[in-house]
Amino acid sequence: RKEVEQDPGPFNVPEGATVAFNCTYSNSASQSFFWYRQDCRKEPKLLMSVYSSGNEDGRFTAQLNRASQYISLLIRDSKLSDSATYLCVVNKDGNKLVFGAGTILRVKS
Amino acid sequence: NAGVTQTPKFRVLKTGQSMTLLCAQDMNHEYMYWYRQDPGMGLRLIHYSVGEGTTAKGEVPDGYNVSRLKKQNFLLGLESAAPSQTSVYFCASSPLTGVTGELFFGEGSRLTVL
Repeated sequence: RKEVEQDPGPFNVPEGATVAFNCTYSNSASQSFFWYRQDCRKEPKLLMSVYSSGNEDGRFTAQLNRASQYISLLIRDSKLSDSATYLCVVNKDGNKLVFGAGTILRVKS
Repeated sequence: NAGVTQTPKFRVLKTGQSMTLLCAQDMNHEYMYWYRQDPGMGLRLIHYSVGEGTTAKGEVPDGYNVSRLKKQNFLLGLESAAPSQTSVYFCASSPLTGVTGELFFGEGSRLTVL
């Protein structure tokens, strides 16, 4: 079983749609969780951290369910510029991060 | 505003050849990492360093060596390249441990081994 699992997609959605991505992790001792964004043929960049209480940044909302070892990312009012691969990331052994394989999002006009 | 710079950006090798990828960061970060990214696999940690003069193995270290002689540089070496090492290699740095979550990545180095 992979340490971090994501639905690879692609998710094809129209502009203005709401889309949600899910991620599960296997290490119950993980303490820190993140979503990164990676544009085609570019490097990954931090999108947002995920806190137990849930957190929101504009159109993006991230939630964590420790009991189910599950992380989600919700994007509201999708824009064309949101098209990218979204990587779920979990810390391991304190100072190393484990990356999921990513979920592809394509927003179409 | 350089951040993390990787050289070379593209390279084609023949099986058995050696090469070194250079990563340089100008942010005075303590931690540096080398990842490889393959389709459907996500980024996998090869080696990392928690400070000048230190290195440690990651998830997939076999076939690679690293050195961190200067704080700003982290070198990844392939002594005898194999086709299985065809991949995109990303270097990253962070000011503290990865627990803070923000790794700053270079633009990647695309390596093909024939």
